[in-house]
Amino acid sequence: DIQMTQSPSSLSASVGDRVTITCRASQGIRNDLAWYQQKPGKAPKRLIYAASSLQSGVPSRFSGSGSGTEFTLTISSLQPEDFATYYCLHHNSYPRTFGGGTKVEIK
Amino acid sequence: EVQLVQSGAEVKKPGESLKISCKASGYRFTSYWIAWVRQMPGKGLEWMGIIYPGDSDTRYSPSFQGQVTISADKSISTAYLQWSSLKASDTAMYYCARHPGLPDYWGQGTLVTV
Repeated sequence: DIQMTQSPSSLSASVGDRVTITCRASQGIRNDLAWYQQKPGKAPKRLIYAASSLQSGVPSRFSGSGSGTEFTLTISSLQPEDFATYYCLHHNSYPRTFGGGTKVEIK
Repeated sequence: EVQLVQSGAEVKKPGESLKISCKASGYRFTSYWIAWVRQMPGKGLEWMGIIYPGDSDTRYSPSFQGQVTISADKSISTAYLQWSSLKASDTAMYYCARHPGLPDYWGQGTLVTV
C-alpha cells in the first residue's frame, strides 16, 4: 500500500498569512493526489484533485502543486473560514490512502 | 443535485451486528463507485473500500478486509456497510461518498457507538 505522510500535523496562523501544507507519498503516484478540507462535525470537502486542479466553487486562494512523491497545498491568504483540518488522498492505486491530516488553527 | 443521505446514529453492544445505509439521488447510481470512509473519535480519515453498484464489484483496504462487508441494492439506489460482530474499536463516524476514482460528494455521516 502507498503511505501518505503529511506535515506539519498542526500549525497556527493568522488571517492573511500564506500557509503551505506538504504531503509525501511512499512511492511515485504521478499527479494522482487530492486535497480535502474538513470542519468540525462536517463531512470532508474536496478542494483539489489531480494535484493542481481546483474543484469548481473553491476559492482561487487555494492551490496545489507537485508530482511524483512530493505535493503541496497552499492557501495564499488565510481567511477566517479556512481554519479547518486538511487531508491529502492519493488516487493512484488501490487501496486509496489519506494522509494523517493538518489542523490549521488561529494564532 | 447529487445527494447521499445516510442512516441515523446507532448505539450497539459488542458482539451485535449492524448494517448502516447510504441512499443516493441526483445521478445514475449504477454508474459510479461508492466509498466508505471511517473517522474514529478525534482521528483522521481512513479509506475502507468501495463498491460499484452496477455489478457489485467491491475493493477493500487490507485494513478492513474481513472486518466489514460493503454491499448495494441498485433497485433502491442504496449502499450499505455492515458488521457481523461489533467491537468497541468500531466506534467511529462513517461516511459514504460517491467515488469516481476518488470521493467527490459525501453523505452527512453515521455515528456508530459500540
